Amino acid sequence: NAGVTQTPKFRVLKTGQSMTLLCAQDMNHEYMYWYRQDPGMGLRLIHYSVGEGTTAKGEVPDGYNVSRLKKQNFLLGLESAAPSQTSVYFCASSYRTSWETQYFGPGTRLLVL
Amino acid sequence: KNEVEQSPQNLTAQEGEFITINCSYSVGISALHWLQQHPGGGIVSLFMLSSGKKKHGRLIATINIQEKHSSLHITASHPRDSAVYICAAHEITGNQFYFGTGTSLTVIP
Repeated sequence: NAGVTQTPKFRVLKTGQSMTLLCAQDMNHEYMYWYRQDPGMGLRLIHYSVGEGTTAKGEVPDGYNVSRLKKQNFLLGLESAAPSQTSVYFCASSYRTSWETQYFGPGTRLLVL
Repeated sequence: KNEVEQSPQNLTAQEGEFITINCSYSVGISALHWLQQHPGGGIVSLFMLSSGKKKHGRLIATINIQEKHSSLHITASHPRDSAVYICAAHEITGNQFYFGTGTSLTVIP
């Protein structure tokens, strides 16, 4: 099993550009999450999904959109990137509930100039 | 507001020392997790607790629900334990974790 994978690993964007981050898991997990990690701050939840076709906002959803068209994939979109979105983005998944063990992807480092 | 507070922020220890990292939280929880983030950035889950104590190898995690406090202990620390340790509290009323800012541990040979 590959576990949780993220694409790309690193990306540089100019302000106003758009991009999509892909998260994939092969563990048949129902729950998937997108977090951002910034220096001096804990991980913060952007959006999450409790199953295929469903998404919900987390703590810091502004400027991001998500889609979960297939159970194994969770996409994070930035429609118009801003320097404040420079961060490391982590995807995670858990089996059937939100409180059980989460499995994290390796992270995507995004720099917005 | 910080729902989860960790201490210390940074910790340097000699190899073999006993290490304690503390976590206090302010929300009602369904579970408390300890995570390890390696220098390369990868995050792995170490423990999930809802009560009592768990042990895995040289790592021990405890939780006191009444005091809203958890500790992570590392016995006989080793340089490979050098990492950032993160406490995460799952709020009982929703689907959200609140994460501490992490404790950066360096173990010197």
